[in-house]
Parts: sequence; structure tokens; C-alpha cells
Amino acid sequence: KAGVTQTPRYLIKTRGQQVTLSCSPISGHRSVSWYQQTPGQGLQFLFEYFSETQRNKGNFPGRFSGRQFSNSRSEMNVSTLELGDSALYLCASVGTGGIETQYFGPGTRLLVL
Amino acid sequence: GDSVTQMEGPVTLSEEAFLTINCTYTATGYPSLFWYVQYPGEGLQLLLKATKADDKGSNKGFEATYRKETTSFHLEKGSVQVSDSAVYFCALSDRNQGGKLIFGQGTELSVKP
Repeated sequence: KAGVTQTPRYLIKTRGQQVTLSCSPISGHRSVSWYQQTPGQGLQFLFEYFSETQRNKGNFPGRFSGRQFSNSRSEMNVSTLELGDSALYLCASVGTGGIETQYFGPGTRLLVL
Repeated sequence: GDSVTQMEGPVTLSEEAFLTINCTYTATGYPSLFWYVQYPGEGLQLLLKATKADDKGSNKGFEATYRKETTSFHLEKGSVQVSDSAVYFCALSDRNQGGKLIFGQGTELSVKP
């Protein structure tokens, strides 16, 4: 069974630009969560999608948004990038067994210059 | 709000030494507790979990017991190997929060031969 796929793996952007990251969950998983990992703030929850609906949201500004498609693939978008948005963005998909069956992807490393 | 506190790293041990990484939590409900491991350049992998008080999670020689009276979930391993070098994250999830995990700041473990 294929794992969680995230694309691209690495990305370099400049301040003010926007970026879209993609996550393909494990086949059959309908829930996708996104996390931001930085050296200063650690791992922080961004949002969770289930069946194309945002089910939960972390404490991030409105520049961070996401969506989920009917095939459960998810995208997150960050507009008007700031230097502090440089981070590893992790996606996780959750199976029917709940959070105990949550699997993480390898992440997308975003560098904002 | 809910939070997780881990002992600070980095922790450096010799091969076959005993490992303890402390983790305490604050939660208003009855969370499930997890330990995740992150190897260099990779995403997070679930190491072990416990869903209720006095449960013991175990995997690959690692153990942790859910202690409600001390709000702790310390990670232990009797004999570490060089291959255990990684960053370890303690996390909790509230059953009412879907796929949202709250992570500790992570503890970097380095095992020397």
C-alpha cells in the first residue's frame, strides 16, 4: 500500500509570493491533517479536512488555507509569504481507525527568501 | 488549552545505555497519548500509543505508561542502539478534536557507538 505523498518536496519562494502544497493520502483514507514544523515553534496543527469539509482549524492567520478534493487529495495554500513561513509542512492521513491510524508524509520543505 | 512538555535535548547516550525521555501533559478531557519518532530527512512515525490511564504502549523495545495521577507519559528503553538516534515527540489528542495532535517540542537523541 502506498504511503502519504507530498509534492513538491522542496520549494524556494520569495516574500510576498504565494505557494500551494499538495498531499495525497493513503488510499481509502478520507481525513487529511496539515502541520507546520519550525525550529522555534515546533510542530503546530494547521487544519484538518474530512470528506472535503474543514473539520478543525489551528491558530494560524487567514493567509493559510486549504481544501480537499473528492478523491481525498488535499492542498494547502499560503498567500503573501513571510520569512517566518519557512518551515517543513507535514501532511497526515487518518484511516477509519481514528487518530491511532494516522500516517505522516515526508513533508514539503519551504524556504522563503 | 491542552499542552505537552518534554525534557529538553539533545540527549547523548552510549550504545546499550538506558533511555528515559520525560513527557508531561495538561488536558481538560481524557486524551490519548502518543510518542512519534522523526529520523533525519523523514516525516513522523508513530512509535507507540496509549488511550487510557494505566495503559502501557510498547514497540521496538520502547515503552511508555499513561500515568493520569502524574499527567505523565515518559518514554523508556532499556538498551539503546545507534539506529535509535532521532528526534522523539510526545503528543496528545483529545477525542473531541478529531485528527488534531498537540506536540511537545521534541527531544533529540544521539546514540554513540
